[in-house]
Amino acid sequence: EPEVTQTPSHQVTQMGQEVILRCVPISNHLYFYWYRQILGQKVEFLVSFYNNEISEKSEIFDDQFSVERPDGSNFTLKIRSTKLEDSAMYFCAWRLAGGTDTQYFGPGTRLTVL
Amino acid sequence: QKEVEQNSGPLSVPEGAIASLNCTYSDRGSQSFFWYRQYSGKSPELIMFIYSNGDKEDGRFTAQLNKASQYVSLLIRDSQPSDSATYLCAVNERKAAGNKLTFGGGTRVLVKP
Repeated sequence: EPEVTQTPSHQVTQMGQEVILRCVPISNHLYFYWYRQILGQKVEFLVSFYNNEISEKSEIFDDQFSVERPDGSNFTLKIRSTKLEDSAMYFCAWRLAGGTDTQYFGPGTRLTVL
Repeated sequence: QKEVEQNSGPLSVPEGAIASLNCTYSDRGSQSFFWYRQYSGKSPELIMFIYSNGDKEDGRFTAQLNKASQYVSLLIRDSQPSDSATYLCAVNERKAAGNKLTFGGGTRVLVKP
């Protein structure tokens, strides 16, 4: 399947700091998603992004979060003023245009907020 | 609140046996169903998807869907130690461009040599 890379693989930050997580698609993906997984818990949907716009967001995705695709390539998730409870694995996912609605997941970024 | 439920396990199976995993979902509007495998510390890896009632086979894996009972299952035949992982059931509402996945908590499978 087509793949993406996510950077950084591990981010350690102090509470209150801003972090930017990046997802770099390789193929011509059209639909993007961010999910997170707190250690030992379910994978949770954060936001979907289509045609350079947010198409759906969860109640978790409040004003602290934002997404963009600034250069038509990188897909970023910004977390402002991080909290301890933001510590989790953050996964970028994508879906190809047309065909099935199967989503594929990137390798993830482990965010640790101290 | 739309829910996807799985038995957390661990489900312990001897090598070569069949592992049977179950998943129930609450939203009758759900359109597509996915099984992902997740090794510890790694991202979900797609095993297979199913849209229609009945069985779908792919190698050693068979997915079964019963929309009337809101139930989807995964069978792993000839289980191998490398199949030891957490298996995630995910359900897709297929709403316009959103298509968000709702995940169950996963079933941990241990295949013993």
